[in-house]
Amino acid sequence: KAGVTQTPRYLIKTRGQQVTLSCSPISGHRSVSWYQQTPGQGLQFLFEYFSETQRNKGNFPGRFSGRQFSNSRSEMNVSTLELGDSALYLCASSLAPTGGYPEAFFGQGTRLTVV
Amino acid sequence: AQTVTQSQPEMSVQEAETVTLSCTYDTSESDYYLFWYKQPPSRQMILVIRQEAYKQQNATENRFSVNFQKAAKSFSLKISDSQLGDAAMYFCAYRATQGGSEKLVFGKGTKLTVNP
Repeated sequence: KAGVTQTPRYLIKTRGQQVTLSCSPISGHRSVSWYQQTPGQGLQFLFEYFSETQRNKGNFPGRFSGRQFSNSRSEMNVSTLELGDSALYLCASSLAPTGGYPEAFFGQGTRLTVV
Repeated sequence: AQTVTQSQPEMSVQEAETVTLSCTYDTSESDYYLFWYKQPPSRQMILVIRQEAYKQQNATENRFSVNFQKAAKSFSLKISDSQLGDAAMYFCAYRATQGGSEKLVFGKGTKLTVNP
């Protein structure tokens, strides 16, 4: 079974641009969560989607948005990029409802650099 | 709000020896999940072990085991017979069982170095 796939692996963008990151969860997993990882703040929860609905959202500005498609694939979008948005963005998929399998499995991440 | 604290930013261990990584958490919930994840330089977060709060028995996975002290809100990871491949960042994470959310709350991580 294929793991969580994130594309692209690396991105370099200019301040003010927007960016879209993609995440394909493990087959059969219906929940997708996104995290931002930076050296200073560590791993911070961005948002979570289940059955195409945003179920939970972290404390990030409205420039960060996401969506989930009917095949459970998810995208996150960051508009009007700032230097501080440079980070590793991780996607995690899980078999929800939990049903005894609460683990989240992560992709390799997208390294975003804003210049 | 739940918080997770890892008080050891860095740890080192000699190959074949045992090391224990500490984690404490704060929650008002009675049922939840706790995890240890490993992040090698390749960046991918890999699940090491999980513990359900309602289970008194400590989880084990091969060379990895936990010491779960619910009353003290402590969840340490013991790595036995350390191997060079164990070198990585280790993150402790909390997940609530109520509310239907899959959200994980992470600690800041502990960087583990394994010396040959």
